[in-house]
Amino acid sequence: KAGVTQTPRYLIKTRGQQVTLSCSPISGHRSVSWYQQTPGQGLQFLFEYFSETQRNKGNFPGRFSGRQFSNSRSEMNVSTLELGDSALYLCASGLGNRYNEQFFGPGTRLTVL
Amino acid sequence: EDKVVQSPLSLVVHEGDTVTLNCSYEVTNFRSLLWYKQEKKAPTFLFMLTSSGIEKKSGRLSSILDKKELFSILNITATQTGDSAVYLCAVVFRTGNQFYFGTGTSLTVIP
Repeated sequence: KAGVTQTPRYLIKTRGQQVTLSCSPISGHRSVSWYQQTPGQGLQFLFEYFSETQRNKGNFPGRFSGRQFSNSRSEMNVSTLELGDSALYLCASGLGNRYNEQFFGPGTRLTVL
Repeated sequence: EDKVVQSPLSLVVHEGDTVTLNCSYEVTNFRSLLWYKQEKKAPTFLFMLTSSGIEKKSGRLSSILDKKELFSILNITATQTGDSAVYLCAVVFRTGNQFYFGTGTSLTVIP
């Protein structure tokens, strides 16, 4: 089975721009979660999508949004980028049952200049 | 406020040593605790623990959960340089499927 894939792997943007990141989960997985990882804050939960609906949301501003398509692929969008948004963005897929683990993708490294 | 705290923050040991990594939590609606290993890429799953006192084991790694004292430990025996990584613990809430991560323990194993 193919693993979780994320595109692009690296991205450089400037302040004020917006960015869209993509995540394709493992086949058969309906849950996709997004995380921001920075050296100071560790892995912080952004949101989780299950069957095209946002099921959980972390404490991030409204500039961070996402969606999930009928094939379970998910996109995350960040508008009006700030320097502090520079981070590794990881997505993780799972069956969606809270008894199951999540499998992480390789991440997208976003640098905001 | 929910908290997941890992200790120590970093650790340097010699090959062959045994290490114990700690994860304590204060969360409402606890469901399970997971351990992940992160090298210079995505975290990879190690263990999921839901019941107190039952040790999970995989080769040289083992882990146990204490739901009364609200902590888990991850043991690595006979460490190897390939064990060098950041070890993350995450708590899953009873409601929803949100994973709440600690900041990790950075382990360095020197030859």
